[in-house]
Amino acid sequence: QSVLTQPPSVSAAPGQKVTISCSGSSSSIGNNYVSWYQQLPGTAPKLLIYDTTKRPSGIPDRFSGSKSGTSATLGITGLQTGDEADYYCATWDFSLNAYVFGTGTKVTVL
Amino acid sequence: QVQLGQSGAEVKKPGASVTVSCKASGYTFSNYYINWVRQAPGQGLEWMGIINPNGATTVYTQKFQGRVTMTRDTSTSTVYMQLSSLRSEDTAVYYCARSRDGYNPHRGFDYWGQGTLVTVSS
Repeated sequence: QSVLTQPPSVSAAPGQKVTISCSGSSSSIGNNYVSWYQQLPGTAPKLLIYDTTKRPSGIPDRFSGSKSGTSATLGITGLQTGDEADYYCATWDFSLNAYVFGTGTKVTVL
Repeated sequence: QVQLGQSGAEVKKPGASVTVSCKASGYTFSNYYINWVRQAPGQGLEWMGIINPNGATTVYTQKFQGRVTMTRDTSTSTVYMQLSSLRSEDTAVYYCARSRDGYNPHRGFDYWGQGTLVTVSS
């Protein structure tokens, strides 16, 4: 079972904004960088956000990351049908000595 | 360009072992850690462990300790993940993924292999 909790699903209309929360602890999110991954159906995950707030080259600024205490958030603005995917947060957990992924959130564009 | 190319699908019987390979290209192999992540059908992502190609040091998550072995061959820029004592619950897609930071390997995985489906069935 994951130590990072995400909502199972979020949805919004095209052009709207969604946020995905990721709740952890002081041994995980509270003291480490957070990454976010997008997994389109049938494909390998793709890095969306690293170091909590940074975007790799080629990732549009519609995607943003933030953190407060032991929780992190991914925001997606200007929602597009191509954004329909599963999204995972991830970080290192000192107490487990392991890299941990969130439970995953399915984004649906209505 | 950076690529991680994985070996093909495997079907194994319970109790057997499987080895999945991950061949790196397009960058200096020894400068970046490689992680292994698996995903059971319809489930989330699960980190299994990490190998430093420079020196071959490894860290395995407790769940797989004693059953997983990660190795590398610097002459072919290939990393291997062997999982033994397979059971049906090990049926999953196994991915290799490169840590984007060569000094702190936990700051995100920037390149992923295409995945290898391992099916464990009698």
